Amino acid sequence: DGGITQSPKYLFRKEGQNVTLSCEQNLNHDAMYWYRQDPGQGLRLIYYSQIVNDFQKGDIAEGYSVSREKKESFPLTVTSAQKNPTAFYLCASSRLQGVASEQYFGPGTRLTVT
Amino acid sequence: AQKITQTQPGMFVQEKEAVTLDCTYDTSDQSYGLFWYKQPSSGEMIFLIYQGSYDEQNATEGRYSLNFQKARKSANLVISASQLGDSAMYFCAMREFSGGYQKVTFGTGTKLQVIP
Repeated sequence: DGGITQSPKYLFRKEGQNVTLSCEQNLNHDAMYWYRQDPGQGLRLIYYSQIVNDFQKGDIAEGYSVSREKKESFPLTVTSAQKNPTAFYLCASSRLQGVASEQYFGPGTRLTVT
Repeated sequence: AQKITQTQPGMFVQEKEAVTLDCTYDTSDQSYGLFWYKQPSSGEMIFLIYQGSYDEQNATEGRYSLNFQKARKSANLVISASQLGDSAMYFCAMREFSGGYQKVTFGTGTKLQVIP
């Protein structure tokens, strides 16, 4: 089955530690995205990528970093510089066929930092 | 300025009735796409419907239809014959080109509760 996997589903970390969230897709999509969602809020774009080894900052990139070494993978690192890292993180992918391509989402990772 | 505005934080609808969820957008592009997603309490995002900026007819997908008014920059979602399973968060999103890249922006969402 094609889709997007994110692991783990729940993640707990101590303040001051970097943590990497995994995102893998086997849909052969060129574009991948990371969003952050806080309780009762919408999705805010952290980073996005349209091609291997290239990515762009979204609206709230500070304190986060990404890499795109393979088409299938787009891991997100939440660094200790991120002031409020506790949130729900969603990864998505899409084709690059004009503006019509819908995004496919992974199940998300709930990160709790104490 | 907000790219996507959803002014209804929460809505209630009686089962089997129709409901309209509002969405307005802001862009200077001529070519853009508008999407609606559903997010149940489990957290997954489910694609519902798409409307292109050049589409002359309103999009429909089963019980979902999109009321697209380009001049007003609005893309409201209409759900007909509401079901209990429609209770969820609903997000409006827009895909546009920004500096040679495709960027997708979401609204803050509307929480819909269907009452038996």
